[in-house]
Order: sequence, then C-alpha cells, then structure tokens
Amino acid sequence: DAGVTQSPTHLIKTRGQQVTLRCSPISGHKSVSWYQQVLGQGPQFIFQYYEKEERGRGNFPDRFSARQFPNYSSELNVNALLLGDSALYLCASSLSSEAFFGQGTRLTVV
Amino acid sequence: AQRVTQPEKLLSVFKGAPVELKCNYSYSGSPELFWYVQYSRQRLQLLLRHISRESIKGFTADLNKGETSFHLKKPFAQEEDSAMYYCALLFGGGYNKLIFGAGTRLAVHP
Repeated sequence: DAGVTQSPTHLIKTRGQQVTLRCSPISGHKSVSWYQQVLGQGPQFIFQYYEKEERGRGNFPDRFSARQFPNYSSELNVNALLLGDSALYLCASSLSSEAFFGQGTRLTVV
Repeated sequence: AQRVTQPEKLLSVFKGAPVELKCNYSYSGSPELFWYVQYSRQRLQLLLRHISRESIKGFTADLNKGETSFHLKKPFAQEEDSAMYYCALLFGGGYNKLIFGAGTRLAVHP
C-alpha cells in the first residue's frame, strides 16, 4: 500500500487564480481530512469528509471548498488565491482517531 | 478554546542526553492526545498516543490532567531522533479534528 497519495507535489499559481488539489486515501479508509501548514506553524484543520459528506470545517473562508468521491478520494479547491494561501496542504485519511498523512502539496502563490 | 502549546521551537541536545519536549493543552472535555513526528523529507507520522500508553523508539509521554500537559520524554537521545515533533489534540465534536501545536525541532548532536 502506497499510503495516502497527494497530487501535485508542487504548484505555483498567480493571485486570483483557482487551484485544485487531489488526495487518495489508504485503501479502506472512508474519512479524509485536509490541513494547511504555513511555514513555522503546525498543521491547521480545514475540512473533514466521511462517506462523501462534510463532517467538519475549520476557520477558513468560503473560498476553500472540498468534496469526496464514491471511491473516497478527495479534492480541495481554493478560489481567488491570495499570497497568504501559500502553504503546504496536507491530506490525511483515517479509520479511527489515528490520522495517516500524505506528503503534501506545496502551493506557492505569486 | 481548544489549544495546544509547544513552548520551545528548538531543542538542541547531545547524543545520550535526556530529552523532554513540552506540550500543554487547553480542552474542556476528556482529551485524546498524540505526538506526531516528521523526519527530514518524510511525511508526518504518528509517534504515539496517550491512550495506548506504549513506548515507541524509546519515547514515552504521560498525560497529566492536573497540569494539562503531555510532555514527550526519552532518557537517551540518538542522532536519528533529530526531527520535527508536533503535539496534537483530538477535538471530537462528532468529527476528527486534530489541533496541532507549532512544533519543536529536536536536534541531536554527536
């Protein structure tokens, strides 16, 4: 099992653009969560999805949205990108309370 | 409000010295706490969780509800322990949201 996989690994976007990040969970895991990690800080919770439904949302603006597909993979979308959205975006899947993290997508907004 | 505090950004020790990485939390309910570790160029991974009360790679952590602490300890540090360590609190509320501290970088020198 390759573990949680995320794509792309790196991305450069311009302010105002939109971006889609993708995540494939560990086989059998129905829960996917997204985190944003800004340099020098710990990961900050954005969303959790379970069985294709949003279970929780962190303190992020409506420019951030996500969805989960029938195969439990997930996409995170960010619209109208700001310089402050530059960060490492982490996806985690879980069966219970233990979260397994992907390598992350490094987003740079210029 | 729920919060995790790791007061030290960097902890620098020599090989064989004892290590204690501090973590304090703020949570009104019954806490479930974790330590995650990130080695250089690797993904964030679970090191240990308080409910399992086990020792992983020589590390232990005891939950002290009176002091609201979950410090990570190892009696004899090894060079391979050098990594970024994050303390995390699971906020239940119907979904699995991890609240992370800012992290402590442990540097073990030969």
